[in-house]
Amino acid sequence: DAKTTQPPSMDCAEGRAANLPCNHSTISGNEYVYWYRQIHSQGPQYIIHGLKNNETNEMASLIITEDRKSSTLILPHATLRDTAVYYCIVRVVYNFNKFYFGSGTKLNVKP
Amino acid sequence: GAVVSQHPSRVICKSGTSVKIECRSLDFQATTMFWYRQFPKKSLMLMATSNEGSKATYEQGVEKDKFLINHASLTLSTLTVTSAHPEDSSFYICSAQGGGSGANVLTFGAGSRLTVL
Repeated sequence: DAKTTQPPSMDCAEGRAANLPCNHSTISGNEYVYWYRQIHSQGPQYIIHGLKNNETNEMASLIITEDRKSSTLILPHATLRDTAVYYCIVRVVYNFNKFYFGSGTKLNVKP
Repeated sequence: GAVVSQHPSRVICKSGTSVKIECRSLDFQATTMFWYRQFPKKSLMLMATSNEGSKATYEQGVEKDKFLINHASLTLSTLTVTSAHPEDSSFYICSAQGGGSGANVLTFGAGSRLTVL
């Protein structure tokens, strides 16, 4: 039941910003946008989430368009350790609603 | 931050045997945990929602009798793959909501890789 569309893969040079897009054109008013990443053969790691305002934490920034139909995850200075599959998920935040994963974007950070 | 521990990380078993995977929230209570399955180079597929003190709810197409889930306490959920066959070989990942990462964030375990011979 994934409601997001992401490019299957992207490349980024080490030290440069990585901008990962996500389309969620059918998002409803009470759904948040979450980003997780999965490094090979590990469990997913939480990165950031937001409703409509842009958000920033120690890992990344999340930019959500005004109409909320798309968002961009920004890793300001990508390192080789940021190579992973990045998942964008939309989810209603109450009553332990479920996370459904889409296909994600494989980010390849290159030296 | 919140930590979810899974055990074992890897297990190899013979066809026809049952395997139990444990999922523990180490520093917080989780009334709800989720179990996922992941095939190589594929995304995570939600299998079931584990609710403390009540029956698990399964996603469409997931066999309840094949994948038994028990959530006996606020910090422990178990997934038992019964009468395992080679097609059950997969990466199984649990997750729990709450703890230091925030009530609205899912924390995932490191996963358990099952190989059925």
